Amino acid sequence: EAQVTQNPRYLITVTGKKLTVTCSQNMNHEYMSWYRQDPGLGLRQIYYSMNVEVTDKGDVPEGYKVSRKEKRNFPLILESPSPNQTSLYFCASSSTEGGVGFYEQYFGPGTRLTVT
Amino acid sequence: AQKVTQAQTEISVVEKEDVTLDCVYETRDTTYYLFWYKQPPSGELVFLIRRNSFDEQNEISGRYSWNFQKSTSSFNFTITASQVVDSAVYFCALSDLYSSASKIIFGSGTRLSIRP
Repeated sequence: EAQVTQNPRYLITVTGKKLTVTCSQNMNHEYMSWYRQDPGLGLRQIYYSMNVEVTDKGDVPEGYKVSRKEKRNFPLILESPSPNQTSLYFCASSSTEGGVGFYEQYFGPGTRLTVT
Repeated sequence: AQKVTQAQTEISVVEKEDVTLDCVYETRDTTYYLFWYKQPPSGELVFLIRRNSFDEQNEISGRYSWNFQKSTSSFNFTITASQVVDSAVYFCALSDLYSSASKIIFGSGTRLSIRP
């Protein structure tokens, strides 16, 4: 079954404690992306990756890191989480049209993060 | 700069009514892609449609239809004979080639409630 998986689904942590949210896709997609969803703001792109070892900032990258060492995995790292990073996070993947343009994105189930 | 505006924050209609969700976008590019996604109460994000800027034909899929008008930079979504299962948050999204072929901008979403 084609899918994007994220772990953990729920996480409560404290300010400053490093955490990693994993994301994995089994569709051999080139493109992967992280979004955060906040009430009234829709989905905002944090980081994206066009392929292995190619990552770039989205609109709200501050406080986040990513890596793409393997095509299937795209972890999101919060080195020192703060309360303003409390949000619902989605990972997504997509095939691309030769690196330009996108087909549909497949989204993971979401990770609800609370930072106290 | 890229921008997607969904001015309708919430819409509530009675079942079987038709409803249109508005999406207005801004881009400096002539080649771009527009998308609609649905987020039901269960929280997952579901792809509905993808349209590239060179294809202005309207599309119909069952009770769903999309009206793409480049002249007004709009990509509106109509649900005919709405049903309770249509209750969800709907997001419009844009990807263009000007700022980056890899960035995807979402609108803030429209919460649609269908009353029985």
